[in-house]
Amino acid sequence: DVKVTQSSRYLVKRTGEKVFLECVQDMDHENMFWYRQDPGLGLRLIYFSYDVKMKEKGDIPEGYSVSREKKERFSLILESASTNQTSMYLCASIRGGLRNTEAFFGQGTRLTVV
Amino acid sequence: SQQGEEDPQALSIQEGENATMNCSYKTSINNLQWYRQNSGRGLVHLILIRSNEREKHSGRLRVTLDTSKKSSSLLITASRAADTASYFCATDPIQGAQKLVFGQGTRLTINP
Repeated sequence: DVKVTQSSRYLVKRTGEKVFLECVQDMDHENMFWYRQDPGLGLRLIYFSYDVKMKEKGDIPEGYSVSREKKERFSLILESASTNQTSMYLCASIRGGLRNTEAFFGQGTRLTVV
Repeated sequence: SQQGEEDPQALSIQEGENATMNCSYKTSINNLQWYRQNSGRGLVHLILIRSNEREKHSGRLRVTLDTSKKSSSLLITASRAADTASYFCATDPIQGAQKLVFGQGTRLTINP
């Protein structure tokens, strides 16, 4: 089974802290994604990556950065956490090279910024 | 930008009834997918329909796709209490890199 693992289920951080959310997948997928999910807004794409050291901005990249140093790991970084970044964060991976294929999601990280 | 728009936002039915959820989108797509999310968890893939397909079945799920209207529907037949969850449609736009664009989801409640 494909597994996408996010480092924490729940996280509480203070305003202004630098926050790292880690995501690891074990199926050698090329494409990885970070979404945030808020009530009434669905999932919104923050950043994605289709290869090591490559990154693309999604719809809401402001206040975030990412790192992909290894194929299996995709990190989301909140440079200076703010209360409006309190949200559920979801990581996903998709096998590259085949357009019509499904995404696999991690269990989510519920981040609260106080 | 939000590609998918689900309708209704919430649906409550009795166990055994059929549940229908609709999704509309804005741009040309490679495929449309439906996902399920149990409360507070990650999303699980249910079914994928390609842009050249019109209907697809998987168990109690039936998905239709109308590319001329840019819309899709998900039908769950003979619903069970365990089907209670949020359901999301996601599209892979033709233009640009491979990614999935999600809508706001439909919250489905099955009453025993």
